[in-house]
Amino acid sequence: DQQVKQNSPSLSVQEGRISILNCDYTNSMFDYFLWYKKYPAEGPTFLISISSIKDKNEDGRFTVFLNKSAKHLSLHIVPSQPGDSAVYFCAASGSPGTSYGKLTFGQGTILTVHP
Amino acid sequence: DTEVTQTPKHLVMGMTNKKSLKCEQHMGHRAMYWYKQKAKKPPELMFVYSYEKLSINESVPSRFSPECPNSSLLNLHLHALQPEDSALYLCASSQWQGADQPQHFGDGTRLSIL
Repeated sequence: DQQVKQNSPSLSVQEGRISILNCDYTNSMFDYFLWYKKYPAEGPTFLISISSIKDKNEDGRFTVFLNKSAKHLSLHIVPSQPGDSAVYFCAASGSPGTSYGKLTFGQGTILTVHP
Repeated sequence: DTEVTQTPKHLVMGMTNKKSLKCEQHMGHRAMYWYKQKAKKPPELMFVYSYEKLSINESVPSRFSPECPNSSLLNLHLHALQPEDSALYLCASSQWQGADQPQHFGDGTRLSIL
């Protein structure tokens, strides 16, 4: 039972353009969502997060959008840079009483930004 | 540079060996986590420690034994592992155990069971 899904295994984008990574979830108990970036041979690095009471959060080139009714979130990277090439994981965390603090990860999307 | 340090980076062991994975953080975080990641799969939670006490055990087999000797250290003791336990083992920490607390990961220990 995959509660967090990233349906696009890979995404290829030209440098300077926008990268949009998508994530869907099924568990309505999730109330906090995070994006992580992972380079080969390194652990995941926290990028940006959003609470379920918000619909948008920005941090520099990164913006996360949350649509609770659709159980969908997306990460926008503008402008994309070659150094952004990595695997991006969407993760969700639940409220107390549901393995509080447990992160459930999506399968990941490989982003390639071409110069 | 990662602020969560894991040792060793690589470990090869036989099924009858006993070994330990170590994780250290000096960010003053009071929650620490062990995850297992198989190839081309997302990380899966194994254990959570909160204030040095085991808070979550995701039904992990007893051949994996976690230990949190103090607020900066987290160990994972391994005994009689199976070939299917070969994976990347990731340690993470957060300010405290909470849904809104970003977890900071180490680079992992790549474990191979012969």
